[in-house]
Amino acid sequence: KAGVTQTPRYLIKTRGQQVTLSCSPISGHRSVSWYQQTPGQGLQFLFEYFSETQRNKGNFPGRFSGRQFSNSRSEMNVSTLELGDSALYLCASSPRVGTGELFFGEGSRLTVL
Amino acid sequence: AQSVTQLDSQVPVFEEAPVELRCNYSSSVSVYLFWYVQYPNQGLQLLLKYLSGSTLVESINGFEAEFNKSQTSFHLRKPSVHISDTAEYFCASTDTGRRALTFGSGTRLQVQP
Repeated sequence: KAGVTQTPRYLIKTRGQQVTLSCSPISGHRSVSWYQQTPGQGLQFLFEYFSETQRNKGNFPGRFSGRQFSNSRSEMNVSTLELGDSALYLCASSPRVGTGELFFGEGSRLTVL
Repeated sequence: AQSVTQLDSQVPVFEEAPVELRCNYSSSVSVYLFWYVQYPNQGLQLLLKYLSGSTLVESINGFEAEFNKSQTSFHLRKPSVHISDTAEYFCASTDTGRRALTFGSGTRLQVQP
């Protein structure tokens, strides 16, 4: 069974630009969560989607948004990038919402210059 | 609100020595508890979980953790570590109301020959 796939793995953007990250969950998993990982703040929850509906949301500004498609694939978007958005963005999938048993991808490393 | 505290940011240990990584949680409701491991340049992998039942839970690679409700702790232990155990370990919790995982700040385990 293929794992969680995130694309792109690495990207560099400049301040003010926007970025879209993609996540393909494990086949059969309908829940997708996104986390931001930084050395200073650690792992912070962004949002969770299940069956195309946002079920949980973390404390991030509105510049961070996401969506889920009918095939459970998910995207997250960050608009008007700031230097502080540089991070590893991790996607995780699960068969159910809020169980804590997550299967993580390898992440998309975003650098904002 | 939930919080998870990992008391040690780094734990150096010699190969074949025992190790304990400490984790304390704070929650006013029942919780599910987890340990995740992150190897360099990879995403997180679930190591073990406590949902209910026996307070001692074990992983397939020799780690164990004990849920202690009175001390609100979920410490991770291994009686004899290997070089390959070098990684960052994250404790996490979620309440049984199906909310998102809250992660601790991580403990970097450094196993030396």
